[in-house]
Amino acid sequence: GDSVTQMEGPVTLSEEAFLTINCTYTATGYPSLFWYVQYPGEGLQLLLKATKADDKGSNKGFEATYRKETTSFHLEKGSVQVSDSAVYFCALSDRNNFNKFYFGSGTKLNVKP
Amino acid sequence: DTAVSQTPKYLVTQMGNDKSIKCEQNLGHDTMYWYKQDSKKFLKIMFSYNNKELIINETVPNRFSPKSPDKAHLNLHINSLELGDSAVYFCASSRTSGSPYNEQFFGPGTRLTVL
Repeated sequence: GDSVTQMEGPVTLSEEAFLTINCTYTATGYPSLFWYVQYPGEGLQLLLKATKADDKGSNKGFEATYRKETTSFHLEKGSVQVSDSAVYFCALSDRNNFNKFYFGSGTKLNVKP
Repeated sequence: DTAVSQTPKYLVTQMGNDKSIKCEQNLGHDTMYWYKQDSKKFLKIMFSYNNKELIINETVPNRFSPKSPDKAHLNLHINSLELGDSAVYFCASSRTSGSPYNEQFFGPGTRLTVL
C-alpha cells in the first residue's frame, strides 16, 4: 500500500542554517506530493506541492523536488528563521483515490536565535 | 473568513460521557474528513464523506459516528468516551474534481481531554 516515511525529529538548527527534511514514499501509481506545516496550537497548512516527476514546489523560501527515481520529496530551505519552528508533514495523494491522503509521522523543527 | 471551522476548540470531559465535535467549511468543497492526531503528532485518517456519502471508514471503534447533514458540515459524535480518545481531532475538506491538485484544507483542531 501507499506510505510516507519522514526523518525523525526533532531537528534543531541555528538561525540562518540550511534545512533538509527527508521524505520518501511508496506508491502503486503516480501520486501527488505535498508538504504541510503545523505551527504550535494550529491546524495544518499547505506549504508546497508537486504533482509529477521533476516538478519543484516552492513557497516562503522552502523547496522540494518530486524525484521519481529515488521516490523522494525532500524539503529544503537555504536559511531558516526562528519563525519556521513548527512540525512539518510530508504527504501523498493517491491518484487512483484522490480522497485519501497518506501523511508521514511529522518532523519537528526548532530554530534557535 | 475562516475556511474550515471546528467547535469546540477545547473539550474536557469524564470517561463514559458522550460528546460531539462540529465542523463546517465555506470553501464549497464536496469532500470532508476527520483525522485524529496523537500526542506524538501522528495523523490518522478516521472518516471521509463525499457529498454526504461515507467513502472512507478506517478502523475506528464503533463508538465514533460521523454525520454529514450537508456537504458543508461534518460532525463527529463519540459515545462512552475512553482515556485513549484523548487527542486533537482535525476536520479537513477538499475538492474532488479529479484534479491532482486536491490539497486538503484543515480546521484549527479540537483538543479532547478525557479524565
